[in-house]
Amino acid sequence: AQSVTQLDSHVSVSEGTPVLLRCNYSSSYSPSLFWYVQHPNKGLQLLLKYTSAATLVKGINGFEAEFKKSETSFHLTKPSAHMSDAAEYFCVVSLSGSARQLTFGSGTQLTVLP
Amino acid sequence: NAGVTQTPKFQVLKTGQSMTLQCAQDMNHEYMSWYRQDPGMGLRLIHYSVGAGITDQGEVPNGYNVSRSTTEDFPLRLLSAAPSQTSVYFCASRVPGGIGGYTFGSGTRLTVV
Repeated sequence: AQSVTQLDSHVSVSEGTPVLLRCNYSSSYSPSLFWYVQHPNKGLQLLLKYTSAATLVKGINGFEAEFKKSETSFHLTKPSAHMSDAAEYFCVVSLSGSARQLTFGSGTQLTVLP
Repeated sequence: NAGVTQTPKFQVLKTGQSMTLQCAQDMNHEYMSWYRQDPGMGLRLIHYSVGAGITDQGEVPNGYNVSRSTTEDFPLRLLSAAPSQTSVYFCASRVPGGIGGYTFGSGTRLTVV
């Protein structure tokens, strides 16, 4: 079985300060891990993905995430927050090639203060 | 390419009514899925398909039917709408193989009164 825990339901940062969104996962097999972003009243957009290549993954809009197997974590970071980063972020795990598709975390709402 | 197209974007139903949410993709993706999104619960899988003629249940299939007669289309049917089905519904697709992410539609916001 696989599961995903996003450790914070809400994160608030000031514009220009670093962003850290935390995600722990559990999987019996080698997982693929993703971060998706959802802006208000929009669909989900893929930010980045880990698929057993490099453990530090760079995504769009300056985001990156590091896969740490020993800690079963896949935290999302960005050095400097922009107002446009305000959105909900989902950490997602998928068994590679699995037809059972994706298991989503419950989401982290990121607020960026001016 | 249009990607994944969902219609309608908004719908209000009365309890007991039936309707079909449409999903179409033009990327020749074999895998398609339906999810529902409820506050604080992330997205939960309703049904999925690994190719034309093949469907299977996900985590929360009760009250929903699907079919996959073509690669492009994957409609979701609500048989007898209930207030508990008020949600935002997302359709997604991807190629097989597991290394790629999913492409999501923009969602259908359904309210059952």
